[in-house]
Amino acid sequence: KNEVEQSPQNLTAQEGEFITINCSYSVGISALHWLQQHPGGGIVSLFMLSSGKKKHGRLIATINIQEKHSSLHITASHPRDSAVYICAVGSWGKLQFGAGTQVVVTP
Amino acid sequence: DAGITQSPRHKVTETGTPVTLRCHQTENHRYMYWYRQDPGHGLRLIHYSYGVKDTDKGEVSDGYSVSRSKTEDFLLTLESATSSQTSVYFCATRGQGSDSNPYEQYFGPGTRLTVT
Repeated sequence: KNEVEQSPQNLTAQEGEFITINCSYSVGISALHWLQQHPGGGIVSLFMLSSGKKKHGRLIATINIQEKHSSLHITASHPRDSAVYICAVGSWGKLQFGAGTQVVVTP
Repeated sequence: DAGITQSPRHKVTETGTPVTLRCHQTENHRYMYWYRQDPGHGLRLIHYSYGVKDTDKGEVSDGYSVSRSKTEDFLLTLESATSSQTSVYFCATRGQGSDSNPYEQYFGPGTRLTVT
């Protein structure tokens, strides 16, 4: 059983819609990461958080340590947001990854 | 972005041959990681390094070895490649406690390896 579970596995949205991706984990962590992987394959870090909420532009990430749950929200989604979003949890730098959520935003 | 390069970017090899993948970084990061990414499994840690000549195994280390003789280079070797090692391999780096984002990992562009 994967210790990091993401939902949904796939998501299709129309441009402008609000998108939420969820991540639940079962291990103790020092930080949770949200990563983005574009069709070309490159992986970039979007957020790293250990408590509360962070916001970068249209992206918002929240974490509830007690419930071992995090959400990634995309507001006013755009086709360029189409990518795989990956949740990863870590302790002392070693990460365990979720399987990813494939997001497709249609015009 | 951290300066991380991987070579080669694509490789096709035959079963039983040795293969070495290289990760090179220019950020003077202490920690380096090798992951493999497979459909249905996500990213999985193969080996990692916490300093020059200091390495340890990850969750899928069987069939792989690593070496780090200098800070900037982390090599992953498949001693005798098998078809189950067909995958996309990512290298990542991380700074250390004194850095501004000590736990953030920076990923290389990936190497697509096919073992026939």
